[in-house]
Amino acid sequence: DGGITQSPKYLFRKEGQNVTLSCEQNLNHDAMYWYRQDPGQGLRLIYYSQIVNDFQKGDIAEGYSVSREKKESFPLTVTSAQKNPTAFYLCASSMQTGNTEAFFGQGTRLTVV
Amino acid sequence: GDSVTQMEGPVTLSEEAFLTINCTYTATGYPSLFWYVQYPGEGLQLLLKATKADDKGSNKGFEATYRKETTSFHLEKGSVQVSDSAVYFCALARMDSSYKLIFGSGTRLLVRP
Repeated sequence: DGGITQSPKYLFRKEGQNVTLSCEQNLNHDAMYWYRQDPGQGLRLIYYSQIVNDFQKGDIAEGYSVSREKKESFPLTVTSAQKNPTAFYLCASSMQTGNTEAFFGQGTRLTVV
Repeated sequence: GDSVTQMEGPVTLSEEAFLTINCTYTATGYPSLFWYVQYPGEGLQLLLKATKADDKGSNKGFEATYRKETTSFHLEKGSVQVSDSAVYFCALARMDSSYKLIFGSGTRLLVRP
C-alpha cells in the first residue's frame, strides 16, 4: 500500500540532545513538508522541500534542520537550539501542484524530559 | 500574507444535529481550498476540496462551497454522528511556485449521543 510513514510514534529526549524524526513516502511525490502542532493549535510549517537536494524554511524553522537526499525521505532533526521542542510533529507529501491533496503521516509525539 | 481563519471550538452537538464550521481565507489569486479531519492521536486526512470558485466539494455527507465573493469555504453536514467527533482544519494551497498548504487553527467537534 502506498503511503507516508513516520517513526517513531513516541519519542523522548533529554534537554540538550539532538533528535531525528523519520519520514518516508512511497507515493512518488515530489514535495514533502514538516509541520508542528501544539495542543489546541493549528499546524505551523517548519520546512518544506519541492525536489531532491532542495528545501526551504517555513514559518518556524529556527532550531530545526532537514535533508532531502532521496525523493522518498525527508528526515527532520530537532536540535538543542529549539527552546520548546515538545510537540506533535507531522510529515506530509504531495504532488507538485496546487490542487492536489497532501497525504499525512501518523505523526511523532516528541517529549523533552 | 495568505491566511485561513476558522471559528473557535469546541463545537458540541447532539447526534443528528446540523453542523456548520465557518472558514474564511485571505489570499492572492485563486487558491485551492481544503478541509482536513484529524482523529485523536493521528495525522490529517483529506475530507474534501474545491479548486475554483463555486465548486462544491463533498464527501461522507460533508460539503463545502468555494465562495469567492465572501472568501469563504464553510463546512456543513446535515446530520452528524458520534463518529464525526474530531478536529477539522480548513486549508488553502498557495498558487505560487511553492504550493504551500496554509492551515487554520482547527475546530474541535464533539458529538454527543
